[in-house]
Amino acid sequence: AQSVTQLDSQVPVFEEAPVELRCNYSSSVSVYLFWYVQYPNQGLQLLLKYLSGSTLVKGINGFEAEFNKSQTSFHLRKPSVHISDTAEYFCAVSDSVQGGKLIFGQGTELSVKP
Amino acid sequence: EAGVTQSPTHLIKTRGQQATLRCSPISGHTSVYWYQQALGLGLQFLLWYDEGEERNRGNFPPRFSGRQFPNYSSELNVNALELEDSALYLCASSHGRGAQEKLFFGSGTQLSVL
Repeated sequence: AQSVTQLDSQVPVFEEAPVELRCNYSSSVSVYLFWYVQYPNQGLQLLLKYLSGSTLVKGINGFEAEFNKSQTSFHLRKPSVHISDTAEYFCAVSDSVQGGKLIFGQGTELSVKP
Repeated sequence: EAGVTQSPTHLIKTRGQQATLRCSPISGHTSVYWYQQALGLGLQFLLWYDEGEERNRGNFPPRFSGRQFPNYSSELNVNALELEDSALYLCASSHGRGAQEKLFFGSGTQLSVL
């Protein structure tokens, strides 16, 4: 069975500092990996996804993530964060067996302080 | 283009009652997913409908059920409500049923069980 672990429940960071949100997954088959963001009182929106090919994936709002198969990780990074990046971030996995069903991690609350 | 819409925004029920939540997908999307976001528990997959059929189901009791209508809108029913059913219920839609599809989320229905 698939599972996703987000290693940090909360990440406080100062504005313009770099940030990394960690995600590890487990699966017995090839997977697709996603990062979604949830701003306060809103639904989730897709930041980026890894399907195949280059292991470095670039998304919206300056975020990027690197797929590491040997470490089963898909960490999200941004070199310089803004106050507006304050939100909850979810890592998710799906596979060709389960179709469109996404398994989400517990979420990481990113808090950017001035 | 209208996004995924959910109604009602808030729903207050008492224990033992039934709740009905509604979701309209983006025009042209045939797959609808339901997730439960309870405080501190992340997003838990509930149900996936595609082309009117239930394609996958999460680890929830049978009192959680739903359906998809010919216009692809969907309904989630929760019978015999329990206090722990209090959560934000998110609906998402996608254009296809593949595991690589991007999900578009609504803003959710906040269900409170008293």
